[in-house]
Amino acid sequence: LAKTTQPISMDSYEGQEVNITCSHNNIATNDYITWYQQFPSQGPRFIIQGYKTKVTNEVASLFIPADRKSSTLSLPRVSLSDTAVYYCLVGPLNRDDKIIFGKGTRLHILP
Amino acid sequence: NAGVTQTPKFRVLKTGQSMTLLCAQDMNHEYMYWYRQDPGMGLRLIHYSVGEGTTAKGEVPDGYNVSRLKKQNFLLGLESAAPSQTSVYFCASSPNGAGRNTEAFFGQGTRLTVV
Repeated sequence: LAKTTQPISMDSYEGQEVNITCSHNNIATNDYITWYQQFPSQGPRFIIQGYKTKVTNEVASLFIPADRKSSTLSLPRVSLSDTAVYYCLVGPLNRDDKIIFGKGTRLHILP
Repeated sequence: NAGVTQTPKFRVLKTGQSMTLLCAQDMNHEYMYWYRQDPGMGLRLIHYSVGEGTTAKGEVPDGYNVSRLKKQNFLLGLESAAPSQTSVYFCASSPNGAGRNTEAFFGQGTRLTVV
């Protein structure tokens, strides 16, 4: 399994764009990158997934450079309700069925 | 649509007691997972299942057993609870394993305290 490294915590202000970067230097050819969000006292929730370049949905954007050794989750114009823990996962395709979480990034949005 | 339902939501056990946590999903997913989450920590995989009748060990399987007799249910058992098993337990299900098109759906968690 590819190991991921994320900042332990980040602070930002309402209305700002927040970028959380995840390093995954030993990502394999078949690996996909997935981000989850977890609010206090709740289970994680899927945000976005990508393989290369850029993926965008109604919640966030995911930027993946050509070498795929890192990825950046971008949250546009955050609000207080975006305060949560964000997990970056790198998932092997058809080699292992485990879904392994790291410690995640604790994002705190300030008014 | 209920999604993933965990029972119970809260429980207090005495050391040495046993209990079973139930996870039920109504999405016809093949894969199911049990995690534990300790304060300030990420989720750690206990056991998982890739289909009815199958189970496999995760990162921290000691002290736990699981069963997947029916596709929609995944049971987590503690035979002799210890204070170190005080945690919040999350169940998840997914149509695929890790990788492409994987979106895992999580339950609301079970808060277990062992005294």
